[in-house]
Amino acid sequence: SQTIHQWPATLVQPVGSPLSLECTVEGTSNPNLYWYRQAAGRGLQLLFYSVGIGQISSEVPQNLSASRPQDRQFILSSKKLLLSDSGFYLCAWSAGQATNEKLFFGSGTQLSVL
Amino acid sequence: KNEVEQSPQNLTAQEGEFITINCSYSVGISALHWLQQHPGGGIVSLFMLSSGKKKHGRLIATINIQEKHSSLHITASHPRDSAVYICAGSNYGGSQGNLIFGKGTKLSVKP
Repeated sequence: SQTIHQWPATLVQPVGSPLSLECTVEGTSNPNLYWYRQAAGRGLQLLFYSVGIGQISSEVPQNLSASRPQDRQFILSSKKLLLSDSGFYLCAWSAGQATNEKLFFGSGTQLSVL
Repeated sequence: KNEVEQSPQNLTAQEGEFITINCSYSVGISALHWLQQHPGGGIVSLFMLSSGKKKHGRLIATINIQEKHSSLHITASHPRDSAVYICAGSNYGGSQGNLIFGKGTKLSVKP
């Protein structure tokens, strides 16, 4: 069966520090991978998606970046965090286009930038 | 502007009650997702549907593409159903994964 792992679960970082959140998927090949953010009191927002190794599409301009060094690994990074980067970050995967397939979410990372 | 509206925003029910959460959207959507987010934050996908009705246990989701409306029903509700329920639509021509999310309906089921 397929599983998705996301870590860390919580993170407190000072403004200006770097960020690295990691997500891995097991039990499937060539998944579509996504990073979402949920700011307090707001809905989910797509940040990045990837349809294959090294292929990253960005939906929202920001100081975050994403990388997919391996088929089932998706990393969210920042060189210098801003206060506005605080939020709940979720990794997800789907077997095909999320427009036509169910999404499977990781357990999320609560990021607080102070 | 593409929008997904959910109602109600908050819902409190007694255990055993039949619950309905509604989702309306402003433009044509090719598929609609219903998600469940528990207090810890984790999200589970309940349904993805593009027409008709789907049922899983005590949960039923319906969609009417022409009326741009979907409903999530919970029969014989239980306190463990307490969560935030989110609907999200994907519109024709939208990029992969860029679903349009509603703000969620917070459901509390009292014993």
